[in-house]
Amino acid sequence: QSALTQPPSVSGAPGQRVTISCTGSSSNIGANYDVHWYQHLPGTAPKLLIYAYSNRPSGVPGRFSGSRSGTSASLAITGLQAEDEADYYCQCYDSRLSGSVFGTGTKVNVL
Amino acid sequence: EVQLLESGGGLVQPGGSLTLSCAASGFTFSTYAMSWVRQTPGKGLEWVSSISNSGDRTYHADSVKGRFTISRDNSKNTLSLQMNSLRAEDTAVYYCAKDMKPAADPYSFDYWGQGTLVTVSS
Repeated sequence: QSALTQPPSVSGAPGQRVTISCTGSSSNIGANYDVHWYQHLPGTAPKLLIYAYSNRPSGVPGRFSGSRSGTSASLAITGLQAEDEADYYCQCYDSRLSGSVFGTGTKVNVL
Repeated sequence: EVQLLESGGGLVQPGGSLTLSCAASGFTFSTYAMSWVRQTPGKGLEWVSSISNSGDRTYHADSVKGRFTISRDNSKNTLSLQMNSLRAEDTAVYYCAKDMKPAADPYSFDYWGQGTLVTVSS
C-alpha cells in the first residue's frame, strides 16, 4: 500500500490544462521532504519531470510545473499535447518507512 | 552520456535466487547513490532498494527486507541486487536508477536503465 495517493486517471483535450494531485501524510510530504515527479511511457525508462516540488531538469518543457500545499503536491500540465499521454508518478522520502515511496500513479489521457 | 545497462533478469522458480547487475557509465559512479525500482505487471512503480555512494548504507523496502541485498563495486562501476527467496509477487521489470544529487543518501532519480524482466513462476 503506497503512502502517496494519486487519482487513477485525468483527461483533457489538446491545449487544455490538467492537474494531478499527490496526497501524503506527516511522515513524507508533511514532514517537508521534497516531492519529485516522473513521466513513464510503457516499455520505456521513466523520466524525471520535476524535482523538489517545482524544479525542471534541463530539457523538460515549461508546460510542466509543480507545487505543494500542506501534505499534498500537484503536477500541472498546461497546453496539453498528444505526446503527454503517459503515466505520471510522484515520489518522496518517507520517515516511517525509512525509504523512498512512489505515488499510486495517474494515467493522463489526451482526448 | 549517462548509460545504465541492467542484466541478469529471467525466469526463476518460487523460492529461487537471482542476481541483477547494472553497468554504469558516463558519470562518476562513486559520487552518487544508486537505487533499484520495479514495476509489477499492470501496476505502478515501487521503490525496492537504495545504496549510498560509498556503499556503507543500504535501504530496502519492507516487501523485500531480509530477502534482497543491494551492493555496489565502485571500482567496476557496477550496481547489484541479490534476490533470494523469490515470490510470485516479485515478478516485475527491475530498473536501475541514478540519484540526481552528488551525495551519500538517495533523493530522486534522474537517469534510469531500460529495465530487466524478472519472472517468478513454476
